[in-house]
Amino acid sequence: AQTVTQSQPEMSVQEAETVTLSCTYDTSESNYYLFWYKQPPSRQMILVIRQEAYKQQNATENRFSVNFQKAAKSFSLKISDSQLGDTAMYFCAFMKPQGGSEKLVFGKGTKLTVNP
Amino acid sequence: DAGITQSPRHKVTETGTPVTLRCHQTENHRYMYWYRQDPGHGLRLIHYSYGVKDTDKGEVSDGYSVSRSKTEDFLLTLESATSSQTSVYFCAISVLGTDTQYFGPGTRLTVL
Repeated sequence: AQTVTQSQPEMSVQEAETVTLSCTYDTSESNYYLFWYKQPPSRQMILVIRQEAYKQQNATENRFSVNFQKAAKSFSLKISDSQLGDTAMYFCAFMKPQGGSEKLVFGKGTKLTVNP
Repeated sequence: DAGITQSPRHKVTETGTPVTLRCHQTENHRYMYWYRQDPGHGLRLIHYSYGVKDTDKGEVSDGYSVSRSKTEDFLLTLESATSSQTSVYFCAISVLGTDTQYFGPGTRLTVL
């Protein structure tokens, strides 16, 4: 069974600075997807970024980028130029493609606070 | 926004009563999922559906049943609610060809 570990329960960063959230996972699969979801106080789960394991290039979405290290089974999220609106819980998730019956396996989350 | 709504958004009920949560989507997605979110556990899959009347169990399915009589609606039922089912419940859809799930706004359920 796959597991996802987020070792930082809480983090804080000053506005405009850069922060990196860690995620490691355990799997014997070679083809899979990794995700970061953001959950602000509104509770909505929002997709931040997606990485396909067979792609060596790290995914980026505006101020969000990942450092995907397949051999090390590491998938960290870097937030550049942090904004107050980035304050949220961040969840790392793993998915093995199964033609629609996939389940997301989530880590326990990292609570990020951006300070003014 | 993947056109997903959940109802009710909040519910308080008593132990032993039946509860049904509804997930509605407007974009004809084939795959739908129910997750629960509890402190210290992230989100865990309860049940999922891969088509009308086609459903299967997830990781934490005990005490829950689901039904999908039409594409747009996926119902989660707690036949006899217990306090351990107090949680936030999220519905999700999978966009075909992207292997990516998008979530509804969630339902906070409290069982007293």
